Amino acid sequence: EAGVTQFPSHSVIEKGQTVTLRCDPISGHDNLYWYRRVMGKEIKFLLHFVKESKQDESGMPNNRFLAERTGGTYSTLKVQPAELEDSGVYFCASSLSGGIETQYFGPGTRLLVL
Amino acid sequence: AQSVTQLGSHVSVSEGALVLLRCNYSSSVPPYLFWYVQYPNQGLQLLLKYTSAATLVKGINGFEAEFKKSETSFHLTKPSAHMSDAAEYFCAVRGSGTYKYIFGTGTRLKVLA
Repeated sequence: EAGVTQFPSHSVIEKGQTVTLRCDPISGHDNLYWYRRVMGKEIKFLLHFVKESKQDESGMPNNRFLAERTGGTYSTLKVQPAELEDSGVYFCASSLSGGIETQYFGPGTRLLVL
Repeated sequence: AQSVTQLGSHVSVSEGALVLLRCNYSSSVPPYLFWYVQYPNQGLQLLLKYTSAATLVKGINGFEAEFKKSETSFHLTKPSAHMSDAAEYFCAVRGSGTYKYIFGTGTRLKVLA
């Protein structure tokens, strides 16, 4: 069974540019999460989808970040315009519904904003 | 509010020695607790989880953790370190009624030959 995949693995952009990160969850997982780790700090929750609906977006830092989940399958996270402080590793995770379902994480996208 | 504290951002042990990685949590509701490991260039992999069943939880690769409510701790241990255990380890808490995980800052484990 394929795990959570993320694309690209690395992205280097200049301040003010736009970047779009993609996440493909494990097939059949209704729950999809985005997290971010800024260098040296903890991994922080950004938002949670249930199928195509945003269940919790309390961790989104500001309106420069836009997350979508088309048809309840893959998800994209767009940063527009990117700022220096957006640099970090963006993780995606997915899980089944119900109970204490384990969140399975992807390898992350390393974003560097110059 | 829930929080997790991992003492020691870097821990070094000799091969064959005991591994002890510390995690303390704060939660106003019965917590669900997790340990994840991240090997270089890989995603986070679940080592073990506590979901209010047995307080001693056994995970993969010989790791285990004990939930101690009185100490609000969930320390990760392994009797004998192996070179392949070198990685970064994350403790996380999830409260009842929420799906999001609250992570600690991570502990990077180095195993010395």
